[in-house]
Amino acid sequence: SQELEQSPQSLIVQEGKNLTINCTSSKTLYGLYWYKQKYGEGLIFLMMLQKGGEEKSHEKITAKLDEKKQQSSLHITASQPSHAGIYLCGVNAGNNRKLIWGLGTSLAVNP
Amino acid sequence: GAGVSQSPSNKVTEKGKDVELRCDPISGHTALYWYRQSLGQGLEFLIYFQGNSAPDKSGLPSDRFSAERTGGSVSTLTIQRTQQEDSAVYLCASSRQGAMGANVLTFGAGSRLTVL
Repeated sequence: SQELEQSPQSLIVQEGKNLTINCTSSKTLYGLYWYKQKYGEGLIFLMMLQKGGEEKSHEKITAKLDEKKQQSSLHITASQPSHAGIYLCGVNAGNNRKLIWGLGTSLAVNP
Repeated sequence: GAGVSQSPSNKVTEKGKDVELRCDPISGHTALYWYRQSLGQGLEFLIYFQGNSAPDKSGLPSDRFSAERTGGSVSTLTIQRTQQEDSAVYLCASSRQGAMGANVLTFGAGSRLTVL
């Protein structure tokens, strides 16, 4: 099974609606990263969370880290078509330099 | 350069041929990573460079895959005797340093490889 589970797998929302994407790890989190990917482009860094309870925002996107639940949630307020893409979470699963990645959440925002 | 540059952006090859994929990282970034992204598989780690050395090659799927980095800058991923299951998008990323907690990676747009 995947070490990192993302839910939902895909999401279609109407423009202006709020939404939440979750990322749950089966192992202790040492750091969690959120990236966004559009078709034909590389991954764009959104946020890095390192401490339990930490919350960061990037424009209308907010992410929180719950260390006890080994989970992070990414919340988009008043979604726009520009928010469409694939959202990926990655974690440092231990003392190594490679990130473990979730399978991603595909988001479509209908105007 | 301003970003991570990868070439070619698209490569179609016949089974059994060798391919080379190139990555030009951000100037000054000492850490360089190769990942593979396949449909439904997520991002798969291939290899990590710190400077010119590769302390972690654990993700290379077979001995047909190799990578090198010269001058602490450009890296080349070589796939010999390509197979259809090698078809994927190969992503390169670089970061300022490889220490844990500082893994803010900047990705290139990727090289899409199709093996017929």
